[in-house]
Amino acid sequence: AQSVTQLGSHVSVSEGALVLLRCNYSSSVPPYLFWYVQYPNQGLQLLLKYTTGATLVKGINGFEAEFKKSETSFHLTKPSAHMSDAAEYFCAVIKTSNTGKLIFGQGTTLQVKP
Amino acid sequence: DAGVTQSPTHLIKTRGQQVTLRCSPISGHKSVSWYQQVLGQGPQFIFQYYEKEERGRGNFPDRFSARQFPNYSSELNVNALLLGDSALYLCASSRTGSPDTQYFGPGTRLTVL
Repeated sequence: AQSVTQLGSHVSVSEGALVLLRCNYSSSVPPYLFWYVQYPNQGLQLLLKYTTGATLVKGINGFEAEFKKSETSFHLTKPSAHMSDAAEYFCAVIKTSNTGKLIFGQGTTLQVKP
Repeated sequence: DAGVTQSPTHLIKTRGQQVTLRCSPISGHKSVSWYQQVLGQGPQFIFQYYEKEERGRGNFPDRFSARQFPNYSSELNVNALLLGDSALYLCASSRTGSPDTQYFGPGTRLTVL
């Protein structure tokens, strides 16, 4: 069965520091991978996605992620954190042999300290 | 273009009641999916509809049902509400029913007392 694991339910960084949010997945077939961000009392906003092609994908707000098949990972990074990046981040996967069912990780809360 | 819209924004019901949540997809999108997000957890898949047909169903009881209309909007119905049904219900739309990028609405916050 597919699953998504986000390492670290809470991550705290200082403003200007590197952001690294970890995501590992298990899938028997090549998946599509996504990162979404959720601000308090709001829905999910798509940050970036990997489907095929270049394994380093760039998203909105300066975020990027690298698909590493050998490590079954899709970690999210940002070189310099802003206060506005404080939110909940979700990694998600869709099996390419399946319908549109997104499977989400448990989420990582990013805290940015001044 | 307008994004995914959901109504109502908030809803308070009592145990045993029934509720209907509504979703309008992005223009041109033919698939709608529903997710339940309990506080502190990631969203859980409930249903996917594409061209008015159910394409997938998550591990939810038969109290949960949905449908999609000819204009691709959708309704999620939950009968015999339980306290555990309290959650944020998210609707997402995508162009196709195949694996595709899903865009989410703001959600409906359901509280069951």
